[in-house]
Amino acid sequence: TQLLEQSPQFLSIQEGENLTVYCNSSSVFSSLQWYRQEPGEGPVLLVTVVTGGEVKKLKRLTFQFGDARKDSSLHITAAQPGDTGLYLCAGVSGNTPLVFGKGTRLSVIA
Amino acid sequence: EAGVAQSPRYKIIEKRQSVAFWCNPISGHATLYWYQQILGQGPKLLIQFQNNGVVDDSQLPKDRFSAERLKGVDSTLKIQPAKLEDSAVYLCASSLGARRSPLHFGNGTRLTVT
Repeated sequence: TQLLEQSPQFLSIQEGENLTVYCNSSSVFSSLQWYRQEPGEGPVLLVTVVTGGEVKKLKRLTFQFGDARKDSSLHITAAQPGDTGLYLCAGVSGNTPLVFGKGTRLSVIA
Repeated sequence: EAGVAQSPRYKIIEKRQSVAFWCNPISGHATLYWYQQILGQGPKLLIQFQNNGVVDDSQLPKDRFSAERLKGVDSTLKIQPAKLEDSAVYLCASSLGARRSPLHFGNGTRLTVT
């Protein structure tokens, strides 16, 4: 069973600060997805990364897939209260279904 | 496009009772998933359908949980009898079906078992 470990589990920062959250595994993934989930709603896809070493940017969010395709990071620049939510990574490996990490719960305080 | 619809939004039942959840996926999406999300954790896959066939149900507690997707569109997930540890949000998601296709989630049903 592939496990995706996310860190930190909780993060509370002030508006305008930068932050990085991590998604790590001992397994190799053919692709990795990042989702954001707000209270009372389902997760919403932010990005999919498929190539080792790939970097994708989405406005103030930068996603990186590790060279060995075992880990990923999400960096947010100048965080805003609207970035508050649960950030989930999810990976696809072989024929197994998509597996989710436990998430990083981010709180951005104005 | 209309999103994934789920009902009810909330349900409170006593242990040993039964409950059913309904999901209507995005039109044209061949793959439908049911996930269980316990407070503080990420979603855990219960069952995956491709059209009306089961692709993966390895983590579905089959002694009490059942799911069907008649006609390859809507789906229902049933729990009978419910246990306290079944308290969770039950999320339905759909996708076009390719392995890297993004999942589109509904807003879930929050189940409380007392």
